[in-house]
Amino acid sequence: DTGVSQDPRHKITKRGQNVTFRCDPISEHNRLYWYRQTLGQGPEFLTYFQNEAQLEKSRLLSDRFSAERPKGSFSTLEIQRTEQGDSAMYLCASAGTGGYNEQFFGPGTRLTVL
Amino acid sequence: KQEVTQIPAALSVPEGENLVLNCSFTDSAIYNLQWFRQDPGKGLTSLLLIQSSQREQTSGRLNASLDKSSGRSTLYIAASQPGDSATYLCAENGGSYIPTFGRGTSLIVHP
Repeated sequence: DTGVSQDPRHKITKRGQNVTFRCDPISEHNRLYWYRQTLGQGPEFLTYFQNEAQLEKSRLLSDRFSAERPKGSFSTLEIQRTEQGDSAMYLCASAGTGGYNEQFFGPGTRLTVL
Repeated sequence: KQEVTQIPAALSVPEGENLVLNCSFTDSAIYNLQWFRQDPGKGLTSLLLIQSSQREQTSGRLNASLDKSSGRSTLYIAASQPGDSATYLCAENGGSYIPTFGRGTSLIVHP
C-alpha cells in the first residue's frame, strides 16, 4: 500500500496523559500536514513540514501540542496533558513537490479523552 | 483569514438525480481548489483538483468548475447512486500552501 498511513487508528486515554500519533506519508512527498477535525466541521490546519523543516506551527492549538519530522519521512504529533476538549479525529495528509499541493489523506486517528 | 462556505449543509435526493454542490471562497489569490469525499469515521479521499487557470475538471460522473471572479466552485454529480452518499468537502489553496476547508455538504442518496 503506497498511501498515507496513520497509527494508531483509535486511542482512548485518561485526562492528563500524554499521547503520540504517527503518520507515514506517501514516500515521494515532501510536504506533510496535520489537521484536527471535530464532528460536523472541516479539517482544521495545525502544522506542516516541508522535508524536515516545520514551516508553520503558529496554529497548533496550544503549547501542549508539538510535532516532529526528524528525518523528513514519518512525522509524530504529541499532545501533552490531554484534556477532554482534545477529543477529535487527527488527520495527516501529504503533498508532493511542485506547486499543485494536491493533498492525500490518511485514515486518521480518533482520540477519545475520558 | 480566508473563509470557505459550502451550501447546502445537507442534501437528500433520490437515486438517479443530477445534483450540484456549491463552494464559495474569499481568497482572491486562489491557487487551486480541491474537492474531497469523506465517509463516516474515515479520512478524506481526493476527487478532483482544479487549478486557478482552469475552468473545469472531470472524472467519471463528477465535474468540478471554478470561477475565480465570483469566488465560487461547483461539484456536479451526474446520475447519483446510493454509493455516492458521503460528506463532500472543498478546500482552497492560496500561495501559502496552507489549505482552508469548508464544513462540507452531507449527501444522502436513497434508493
